[in-house]
Amino acid sequence: QKEVEQNSGPLSVPEGAIASLNCTYSDRGSQSFFWYRQYSGKSPELIMSIYSNGDKEDGRFTAQLNKASQYVSLLIRDSQPSDSATYLCAVRIGGGADGLTFGKGTHLIIQP
Amino acid sequence: EADIYQTPRYLVIGTGKKITLECSQTMGHDKMYWYQQDPGMELHLIHYSYGVNSTEKGDLSSESTVSRIRTEHFPLTLESARPSHTSQYLCASSEGGTDTQYFGPGTRLTVL
Repeated sequence: QKEVEQNSGPLSVPEGAIASLNCTYSDRGSQSFFWYRQYSGKSPELIMSIYSNGDKEDGRFTAQLNKASQYVSLLIRDSQPSDSATYLCAVRIGGGADGLTFGKGTHLIIQP
Repeated sequence: EADIYQTPRYLVIGTGKKITLECSQTMGHDKMYWYQQDPGMELHLIHYSYGVNSTEKGDLSSESTVSRIRTEHFPLTLESARPSHTSQYLCASSEGGTDTQYFGPGTRLTVL
């Protein structure tokens, strides 16, 4: 079982709508959760971090964490074509090597 | 905004050559990381460092080696490159006490 799971997509959303991206993780001891955006051929760019259960908002982005259900999600409001990218969920797995464990990413397409 | 640099950005070399991928950061971050990412696949941690003279292997076995002689510099070396080493190599850093990682632009390596 993979430690961080994401639906690879593509997820197609009309411009101006809300894009909802989901991620599940297997390690109940995980404490830190991150969303990165990666454009094709580029390196990951940090969007948000979340550490506590509940919602965290930053501009058009909202991260949601539910540790009991072991999932973290990212909502993008008022989606723009420039939001089209692959969104990577990353988790600091408890124990083991330092560093983040990444999902494969969800490819998001915002349709004009 | 993180200032982390990688050189070269692109490298095409023949089998058997020794190569060093450079990574430098100017934030004074204690922790640095190397990830490997194949196209369409997730990032895998191959090396990390907690500080000067500290190096550890990551979750993904790699034939590469790293060194950390200065805080700002974390080079990765392949003694004898092979086609199986063809991939994108991403360097990241984070402050001590946090898990938030910032990525460099990456080096895309092709071994013929």
